Amino acid sequence: GQQVMQIPQYQHVQEGEDFTTYCNSSTTLSNIQWYKQRPGGHPVFLIQLVKSGEVKKQKRLTFQFGEAKKNSSLHITATQTTDVGTYFCAGCREGSQGNLIFGKGTKLSVKP
Amino acid sequence: NAGVTQTPKFQVLKTGQSMTLQCAQDMNHEYMSWYRQDPGMGLRLIHYSVGAGITDQGEVPNGYNVSRSTTEDFPLRLLSAAPSQTSVYFCASSQRTGTYSNQPQHFGDGTRLSIL
Repeated sequence: GQQVMQIPQYQHVQEGEDFTTYCNSSTTLSNIQWYKQRPGGHPVFLIQLVKSGEVKKQKRLTFQFGEAKKNSSLHITATQTTDVGTYFCAGCREGSQGNLIFGKGTKLSVKP
Repeated sequence: NAGVTQTPKFQVLKTGQSMTLQCAQDMNHEYMSWYRQDPGMGLRLIHYSVGAGITDQGEVPNGYNVSRSTTEDFPLRLLSAAPSQTSVYFCASSQRTGTYSNQPQHFGDGTRLSIL
């Protein structure tokens, strides 16, 4: 079945360093969504990308959707302690009425 | 506006017991779903519903039942709890358009369930 692979599983950074998590699908996606889950919390929607090659920014966060719509990335510039949490990507296979398939997430820790 | 409300927040069960996890949303969302979250496994879809009276299985449906009698409520039932069902359970809802997965998912706070 469709899988969404996400790497790395864990990332430890010093405050101020950059961070990137990558999401790859075996099939073409109609869209990709990104969520953030704080420790002990629930996933919170960050953004959705729909178009091939799309790039969106939210302050220090940059989201990209690959040209082939099979991969995506989330980049955080100059991490802060408030960025701590697990970041999930989720996608739906193009052309299907299917459900979102979540990656396993990247857990980010930030050392002050 | 409460969003998605899950009850209880915590529960401990003995093997073989049954229980119902409650989920309610007040956003008039047609699409609702249940996920379980286990360490290192991400979010796995258990069951989902695209509207009242309609439910379907997700990736890991065994041992769970759902029903959708109203737009607002989507309870998840564990028929005979097993230790393998120890997990954190999240309910989510979203608007539905032509392709219902194209809408942002709104998650509840989760239910932390332990089966002894």
